[in-house]
Amino acid sequence: DTGVSQDPRHKITKRGQNVTFRCDPISEHNRLYWYRQTLGQGPEFLTYFQNEAQLEKSRLLSDRFSAERPKGSFSTLEIQRTEQGDSAMYLCASGDLTLHFGNGTRLTVT
Amino acid sequence: AQSVTQPDIHITVSEGASLELRCNYSYGATPYLFWYVQSPGQGLQLLLKYFSGDTLVQGIKGFEAEFKRSQSSFNLRKPSVHWSDAAEYFCAVRNNNAGNMLTFGGGTRLMVKP
Repeated sequence: DTGVSQDPRHKITKRGQNVTFRCDPISEHNRLYWYRQTLGQGPEFLTYFQNEAQLEKSRLLSDRFSAERPKGSFSTLEIQRTEQGDSAMYLCASGDLTLHFGNGTRLTVT
Repeated sequence: AQSVTQPDIHITVSEGASLELRCNYSYGATPYLFWYVQSPGQGLQLLLKYFSGDTLVQGIKGFEAEFKRSQSSFNLRKPSVHWSDAAEYFCAVRNNNAGNMLTFGGGTRLMVKP
C-alpha cells in the first residue's frame, strides 16, 4: 500500500492556460474523490468516481472543469482557461468506508 | 443537507496541557464522523473515526473523541499536547446517501507554545 499519489505537487500557471492533474489511488479502492481546498478553509467536494463511472459532481465544478478515470485506475482533473479564483489545493482521496487522501496539488494562477 | 461546524478557528495551548477541539454536526440519520489532521502543505491524515458502538473512540497519536448524539457533537481531545501536534484539524461527516462523500468543517488551527 503506497498510499494515494498526486502529481504534480505544485503548479504555477498563467490565467487562461489549461492545467491537468493526476491522481493514483490506492490500488484496491473502487471509489475516487476530488476535493478543492482554499486557504484557511476545509476541503470541498468536487466529484467522485465508482470505478470508471463519474457518479456525482458538485455545483463547484464549472464547465471549465473535467475529470476522468479511464479503466477505473488513475484519474485526471483538467481545468481549462484557468482563472485566478481557481488557485487552491486540489486533493484526491480514495476509499470506501474511510477516505485516504493524497498530499494534494497546489495550483497558483497568476 | 449535512453540515459541520468547528467553532474555534484558532486555539493556542501550552506544551503538556490538555486539548479539546469542538465539532458540531448536522445530519439527518446516524452520522459517520471523522477527524483528520493536516500539516502545512500536506494532505489530510486520518486521526480517528466513529461509525457505531462505543461513543468514545481512540485514534492515533494519543487522540480520542467522544460522540454525543444529544449534543450533535464529536469533540476531539488529547490529555497532553506535544509541539508536533501543531497543525490544522478538520472534523467531517459522511453522507451515506451520496457516494460516502465527506462534508468538512472549516478547521481549527492549533498552535503549541513551548
